Amino acid sequence: GQNIDQPTEMTATEGAIVQINCTYQTSGFNGLFWYQQHAGEAPTFLSYNVLDGLEEKGRFSSFLSRSKGYSYLLLKELQMKDSASYLCAPGNGDKIIFGKGTRLHILP
Amino acid sequence: DTAVSQTPKYLVTQMGNDKSIKCEQNLGHDTMYWYKQDSKKFLKIMFSYNNKELIINETVPNRFSPKSPDKAHLNLHINSLELGDSAVYFCASSQEGLAGGDGELFFGEGSRLTVL
Repeated sequence: GQNIDQPTEMTATEGAIVQINCTYQTSGFNGLFWYQQHAGEAPTFLSYNVLDGLEEKGRFSSFLSRSKGYSYLLLKELQMKDSASYLCAPGNGDKIIFGKGTRLHILP
Repeated sequence: DTAVSQTPKYLVTQMGNDKSIKCEQNLGHDTMYWYKQDSKKFLKIMFSYNNKELIINETVPNRFSPKSPDKAHLNLHINSLELGDSAVYFCASSQEGLAGGDGELFFGEGSRLTVL
């Protein structure tokens, strides 16, 4: 079966750092995606981790531990425009399975 | 230029009707997808096509029929619409199937279907 667990909502302050955790269980795992989705818009690609470790891309970093079935997305220097849902999505064979997403609220 | 475009963006219709949503991508990608996002925000894959060939059919009712006339187009036809079909339908494309490459998905803007 497939199971993806991430917090439903988080709140952080502009300029701060926030870490969104995700645990997953899936067969045929071939990598972990993070997508960002603003309300009423399409998801957009943020990151893809295949190997264990941290991948840094500007203000966003993503970490993967394959053995633990665990990933996190780290957002630094938060901006108001980062208010969105963040979808943890393990790749499973020819499919990407999306989690329910974490709705991140940024306070001024 | 819009990379993945789908029409219509909004669709309101009565139960029992038949409707279609069209999708086109100009990225030269080989693989296209339909995803459904319901009111609970779950984004679920419905179908994927690779170069006009059906790859994934994810336990979707027969009322839903995808058609891919060429690798740049993937249309979704829905027969006998039901209330539960109300959702946002996203078309997406990727350069390779998700098993190859990084499988980054490029999504269209979504088509919000409301069945009354």
